Amino acid sequence: DTAVSQTPKYLVTQMGNDKSIKCEQNLGHDTMYWYKQDSKKFLKIMFSYNNKELIINETVPNRFSPKSPDKAHLNLHINSLELGDSAVYFCASSPSRGQGWEKLFFGSGTQLSVL
Amino acid sequence: AQTVTQSQPEMSVQEAETVTLSCTYDTSESDYYLFWYKQPPSRQMILVIRQEAYKQQNATENRFSVNFQKAAKSFSLKISDSQLGDAAMYFCAWGNGNKLVFGAGTILRVKS
Repeated sequence: DTAVSQTPKYLVTQMGNDKSIKCEQNLGHDTMYWYKQDSKKFLKIMFSYNNKELIINETVPNRFSPKSPDKAHLNLHINSLELGDSAVYFCASSPSRGQGWEKLFFGSGTQLSVL
Repeated sequence: AQTVTQSQPEMSVQEAETVTLSCTYDTSESDYYLFWYKQPPSRQMILVIRQEAYKQQNATENRFSVNFQKAAKSFSLKISDSQLGDAAMYFCAWGNGNKLVFGAGTILRVKS
């Protein structure tokens, strides 16, 4: 079974559309993240949730809205997609701080292409 | 804010030889971890090795070892007996329990 799974793996869409990327982890972890990897391969954190509560929001445009229905899921919804949103988006999870937080597990990424 | 710098955009190594990838970081925190991640063309992020800042002993994992110099804020990765499968992008990262901050990456090419 995949520990952190994200769907879809590839997403091609037109500018202005709204899209969602789903992420699920079956590790029982408390903390989940979204990272963005741009065309130059630079990886940057976008959001972090702990037990469904937002704890990090790294100056991401509010067109991006994470939603955590339960601690095993962290979905990313993007409104009014722009060309600059094209990137690979990684979901990740880890236990809470003090309980092996450094053991981060990444999903396989979603390549978003905005045309 | 924390920053991680990888000054080598690209490195090459002959199969079976040793290569060292450089990483420096900047932080005012005393409790943190440092990591090296590998990203092959499959895009999967694979943890290679991690080091707790409070430990003086350098971490090792089989052919991979680090040289952690806390005062100099330096964290280099040594790959011994390089194999073709080591070819990938390598990312150095700093973490404090809330997030990871990544460097820009170093592409490692392995020549046969």
